Amino acid sequence: GDSVTQMEGPVTLSEEAFLTINCTYTATGYPSLFWYVQYPGEGLQLLLKATKADDKGSNKGFEATYRKETTSFHLEKGSVQVSDSAVYFCALSDQGNTGKLIFGQGTTLQVKP
Amino acid sequence: DTAVSQTPKYLVTQMGNDKSIKCEQNLGHDTMYWYKQDSKKFLKIMFSYNNKELIINETVPNRFSPKSPDKAHLNLHINSLELGDSAVYFCASSPHTRGGRTEAFFGQGTRLTVV
Repeated sequence: GDSVTQMEGPVTLSEEAFLTINCTYTATGYPSLFWYVQYPGEGLQLLLKATKADDKGSNKGFEATYRKETTSFHLEKGSVQVSDSAVYFCALSDQGNTGKLIFGQGTTLQVKP
Repeated sequence: DTAVSQTPKYLVTQMGNDKSIKCEQNLGHDTMYWYKQDSKKFLKIMFSYNNKELIINETVPNRFSPKSPDKAHLNLHINSLELGDSAVYFCASSPHTRGGRTEAFFGQGTRLTVV
């Protein structure tokens, strides 16, 4: 079945460092891909999305490009802030047209001043 | 204006009790979901309803019963609570009929602790 794999965390960076969180997926067909963020004690918020190959999603300085050839959707940010500390989830939409999301295991990011 | 709201936010209860979590969305979406987040932060879908019709029922103990009185509400009732039910439960909704390939909007979560 469909699945998503994210890099193991936690990831600890200093403020203004470059961030990459790797995400690869396994799916038949062409799923939509998403990054969600969960700040401490809060629910999930959509960070960005891409619905077809070569699409680039971007929001709040974060970017991710849908790479069909490598089945990847890596999250990047050029300069992280302390306020970016959160858990980041990569997800894909189920091919069965139910809207079900399949999530990766989440990557905790801690940014130190 | 809260888009997807769940109550309660925290729920502490004893083993064997029955409890309910309520969810409401004011986004006009057709599809609603319950996801469970375990202690390692892993998220997995439990149920989905589209216009009050159950369309996803993952492998979940039948002590869990969702109910959708209308398309804006999806409640989760849990009977005979067990220690292993302790988790954060998220309600979500999405706009497309029968799901589609769009994102879901999540509530704040209900942290259930069974003691």
